[in-house]
Amino acid sequence: AQTVTQSQPEMSVQEAETVTLSCTYDTSESDYYLFWYKQPPSRQMILVIRQEAYKQQNATENRFSVNFQKAAKSFSLKISDSQLGDAAMYFCAYRSAQGGSEKLVFGKGTKLTVNP
Amino acid sequence: NAGVTQTPKFQVLKTGQSMTLQCAQDMNHNSMYWYRQDPGMGLRLIYYSASEGTTDKGEVPNGYNVSRLNKREFSLRLESAAPSQTSVYFCASSDTIKTTSYQETQYFGPGTRLLVL
Repeated sequence: AQTVTQSQPEMSVQEAETVTLSCTYDTSESDYYLFWYKQPPSRQMILVIRQEAYKQQNATENRFSVNFQKAAKSFSLKISDSQLGDAAMYFCAYRSAQGGSEKLVFGKGTKLTVNP
Repeated sequence: NAGVTQTPKFQVLKTGQSMTLQCAQDMNHNSMYWYRQDPGMGLRLIYYSASEGTTDKGEVPNGYNVSRLNKREFSLRLESAAPSQTSVYFCASSDTIKTTSYQETQYFGPGTRLLVL
């Protein structure tokens, strides 16, 4: 079974600075998807960024980018120019690309605090 | 376009009571999911429905039943609530037809907070 590990329960960053959140996963599959979701105090789960395992190029969405290291099974999230609104829980998630494997496997999350 | 909606937002139950959590999506997605989130944990899958008329168990299905009423709606029922079912419940949907660049991405509702006394 696949597992997702977020080794940093909490992180903090100064406003306008850069922070990197870590995620590692364990799988024997070669084709899969990886996601970062943000959960602000409102509890809504918001998709931040996604990565297809077959793509070598790291995904980027504005201030958010990932460092995807397939061989190392690592998928870190970098937030540049941090803003107060970035404060939230961040969850890394894995999804198999095999048909019928619909579920997302989540890590336990990293709480990000942004200091003004 | 409301995305994924859930009702109610908050509910208090007594042990042994039953209730149904409602979920609807207006994105014409094929697949729908129910997750629960407990303190210090990520989300765990309870049940999912890959398409209208089908449902499958996830990681933590015990104590729950689901109904995929139509393509839009996917309900979660607790027949006899227990304190261990106190949690935040999230519904999600995704489009598994491989026609868009954002296939497979799950979009979540706002959640339902359930307290079982």
